[in-house]
Amino acid sequence: EADIYQTPRYLVIGTGKKITLECSQTMGHDKMYWYQQDPGMELHLIHYSYGVNSTEKGDLSSESTVSRIRTEHFPLTLESARPSHTSQYLCASSALTEEDADGYTFGSGTRLTVV
Amino acid sequence: AQKVTQAQTEISVVEKEDVTLDCVYETRDTTYYLFWYKQPPSGELVFLIRRNSFDEQNEISGRYSWNFQKSTSSFNFTITASQVVDSAVYFCALNPKSAGNKLTFGGGTRVLVKP
Repeated sequence: EADIYQTPRYLVIGTGKKITLECSQTMGHDKMYWYQQDPGMELHLIHYSYGVNSTEKGDLSSESTVSRIRTEHFPLTLESARPSHTSQYLCASSALTEEDADGYTFGSGTRLTVV
Repeated sequence: AQKVTQAQTEISVVEKEDVTLDCVYETRDTTYYLFWYKQPPSGELVFLIRRNSFDEQNEISGRYSWNFQKSTSSFNFTITASQVVDSAVYFCALNPKSAGNKLTFGGGTRVLVKP
C-alpha cells in the first residue's frame, strides 16, 4: 500500500494551461523531491524540500515551481504548459536521517502530455 | 560532482537465464550510499537495496544478488533464473553524504524477459 500519493495519474492538457501536480505522503518525512523522467528513462531532480517553507531547485532546470506549506504536501505547478513539458513526474520522500535504510519512497508518478 | 553510469541500455533474455546489470559510480565522498530501484511498466520506483560505502559485503535476497566492489567503483546486480515478472527498468542510484540526501540516478537498464 502506497504511503505517497500522486494525482492525477495521467493528464493530457492543452498548451498554455496552468496545471498542478499533487503529491502527498503520510509518513511524516521531512524531505520531499520531484523528479522528471524523460521518455528515454533518465531521472532528473528538478525540485526538493527539506521541510516546511523550504524549497530548492534541483540539478535540472525546470519552469515548474513548488511549495511546501505542510509537511505532507508538496505540489508542483506549471503556470503555462508547453509540449516540452511532456514527461513523467515522480514525487518522492525520505526521512531526514541517514539511517533511513530504504532510501526514498516514490509515488506512482504523473504522466503529463501537453498537446 | 557525482555520476552513475549504467552502460547497458537494454538486455533481453529468455526466462530462467541469469542477467547481470552493471553500475559504475563516481564520487569524491568517502561516505556514500548506493541503491537499486526497479521500475515496472506501471511506473512507480520500487526500492530493492541500499548499501553504504563501508559495507562491501555482497548480498543475496532470493533470486537477487548484489556485488559491491569499491576498488572498481561498481555495484552490479544479478537476477538469477529470471522470470517474466522481472521485466522492468532497473536504476542504480548514488547518494554521497555531501549531497544532502539527493539521489543521482544512472540512465537505467531495461530488462526484457521472454517466456
